[in-house]
Amino acid sequence: QSVLTQPPSASGTPGQRVIISCSGSSSNIGSNNVNWYQQLPGTAPKVLIYRNNQRPSGVPDRFSGSKSGTSASLAISGLQSEDEADYYCAAWDDSLNGRVFGGGTKLTVL
Amino acid sequence: EVQLVESGGGLVQPGGSLRLSCAASGFTFSYYSINWVRQAPGKGLEWVSYISSSSNIIYYADSVKGRFTISRDNAKNSLYLQMNSLRAEDTAVYYCARIVGASTLDHWGQGTLVTVSS
Repeated sequence: QSVLTQPPSASGTPGQRVIISCSGSSSNIGSNNVNWYQQLPGTAPKVLIYRNNQRPSGVPDRFSGSKSGTSASLAISGLQSEDEADYYCAAWDDSLNGRVFGGGTKLTVL
Repeated sequence: EVQLVESGGGLVQPGGSLRLSCAASGFTFSYYSINWVRQAPGKGLEWVSYISSSSNIIYYADSVKGRFTISRDNAKNSLYLQMNSLRAEDTAVYYCARIVGASTLDHWGQGTLVTVSS
């Protein structure tokens, strides 16, 4: 059971907009920055969004992040087949004194 | 180019020990905090341990506390994870990942597989 809660799966057709949610608590999302990671099949994770809504250079602006209270979300617009991957949210947890991840959301492009 | 290369994984019996290494290059290793993160086969990411740039702050996940020890040698640009009393549930790919801005894991290694089985 992950500390951060994500839906296990999401799907969309090419060109659609998909939103992946991440729910936490006051000790993690509520008081710390949220990062999102993309893991393509068979590869190491890669940072997609940092500090709630910042994109590293090289990440398309189709990807955006937001945070409100103890929840965060990742939006992917103009869905493409290469977006098919696992997506994880993460934050530091002040109560656990550790980093916590969501259980991951497997995105399927239909 | 920032590179992190893990090594030391393999097959070990329950109760055994293993030492993982992470060799860093392409950046000033001594300036950065580093994490170990693991991923069991077919499962999600699990944070394992954190070490600050000068080793003065260390944290562990409850699942490994008392069994795993994180350390680093800044002179050798290397990070280590000593794993003792290994259990079947420790079977996973272990990644080292650099931290920037206090919370972002911006570069990850390719991972090394640890299998705990008799």
